[in-house]
Amino acid sequence: AQSVTQLDSQVPVFEEAPVELRCNYSSSVSVYLFWYVQYPNQGLQLLLKYLSGSTLVKGINGFEAEFNKSQTSFHLRKPSVHISDTAEYFCAVSDQNNAGNMLTFGGGTRLMVKP
Amino acid sequence: EAGVTQSPTHLIKTRAQHATLRCSPISGHTSVYWYQQALGLGLQFLLWYDEGEERNRGNFPPRFSGRQFPNYSSELNVNALELEDSALYLCASRLAGLSTDTQYFGPGTRLTVL
Repeated sequence: AQSVTQLDSQVPVFEEAPVELRCNYSSSVSVYLFWYVQYPNQGLQLLLKYLSGSTLVKGINGFEAEFNKSQTSFHLRKPSVHISDTAEYFCAVSDQNNAGNMLTFGGGTRLMVKP
Repeated sequence: EAGVTQSPTHLIKTRAQHATLRCSPISGHTSVYWYQQALGLGLQFLLWYDEGEERNRGNFPPRFSGRQFPNYSSELNVNALELEDSALYLCASRLAGLSTDTQYFGPGTRLTVL
């Protein structure tokens, strides 16, 4: 079984400032890692995913994340945020050996970008 | 290419009633997933269908059920509705065969139980 912890439920930040959303996971098996974004009243959109290879993953909208196996973390970063980045962000994992690829989500982090 | 679609957008029911939620996957996708996003409980995996069969289910009671049709669309049925079933129900689809494939989510159906 896996679990995902997003350490911050809310992150307020000013426009054009950098941001880091933290994600830690616990698993007895190897996992794939994902970040999804949910805009108000919408479904989830994939930002980026880590499957293997380079631990630095670049995604859409200028986001990137770094996989740290020793710290079991997958933090999401953006060097300069925009008002339009205001949304809820979810970190998720799936078991590499499970063909079903069911996602286990963290509790979400609400990013609030202020002008 | 059309994304995952879900209907209805909103659904209001009363306790003990039955609800049916529908999902159409992306063309070519054969796997469909259902997730519940309830206030305070986060996003939880409900059901996985692939090639018409239920392959896995999360920790939900049997009154949550569903099916997948030959065209790979799916419906989620919730019987004997309870107040705590109020949530956003998200459907996702995926190409089957590779566990690395991405799940693509629909906009969700917001179920309110009064």
